[in-house]
Amino acid sequence: DAEITQSPRHKITETGRQVTLACHQTWNHNNMFWYRQDLGHGLRLIHYSYGVQDTNKGEVSDGYSVSRSNTEDLPLTLESAASSQTSVYFCASSDSGTNTEAFFGQGTRLTVV
Amino acid sequence: KQEVTQIPAALSVPEGENLVLNCSFTDSAIYNLQWFRQDPGKGLTSLLLIQSSQREQTSGRLNASLDKSSGRSTLYIAASQPGDSATYLCAVSEWTYKYIFGTGTRLKVLA
Repeated sequence: DAEITQSPRHKITETGRQVTLACHQTWNHNNMFWYRQDLGHGLRLIHYSYGVQDTNKGEVSDGYSVSRSNTEDLPLTLESAASSQTSVYFCASSDSGTNTEAFFGQGTRLTVV
Repeated sequence: KQEVTQIPAALSVPEGENLVLNCSFTDSAIYNLQWFRQDPGKGLTSLLLIQSSQREQTSGRLNASLDKSSGRSTLYIAASQPGDSATYLCAVSEWTYKYIFGTGTRLKVLA
């Protein structure tokens, strides 16, 4: 079965360190997204990609970057981790066209100390 | 800017009740609308996708309707069970395929 997987599931890091969260999907979807989920804010879009070599900023992109070198992966990098980036991060993918059903990974809980 | 609101924020019902969760959005120019379920500490599970040309979708005990002109969707759960306890999220996508989420309705079904 096709799936979308995130790693690690849990991560503790120190302020100022660079951190990369992995996202891998086997749906062969063009579109991939990174969201963060925080109490009181719901899910907010960080970055997204419509295909290989394409990346775009979402509403809360400051301090984050992504790259898309193949269809399956969209790693999220925190350039210099800050306590405000403590959150749960979700990766999602969807197809283009009329059926844009989005599928989500299980999430990565990141704590910045 | 599209905004998605879900009412109520929390709901507690006895087992067996039929219930309705509401979702409203401010811009009717949506592409699709999707309902998700999220269990504590888990990811989002897709429940139903309603394409913009559709009025409703059904899956088992779940029925979701969409009224684009009024900016509303409802998720109807028939004969609720304790296993339905979770947070239910509504999300709308625009032509950009990006989904904008509501903050969810936290449902508790009491045995």
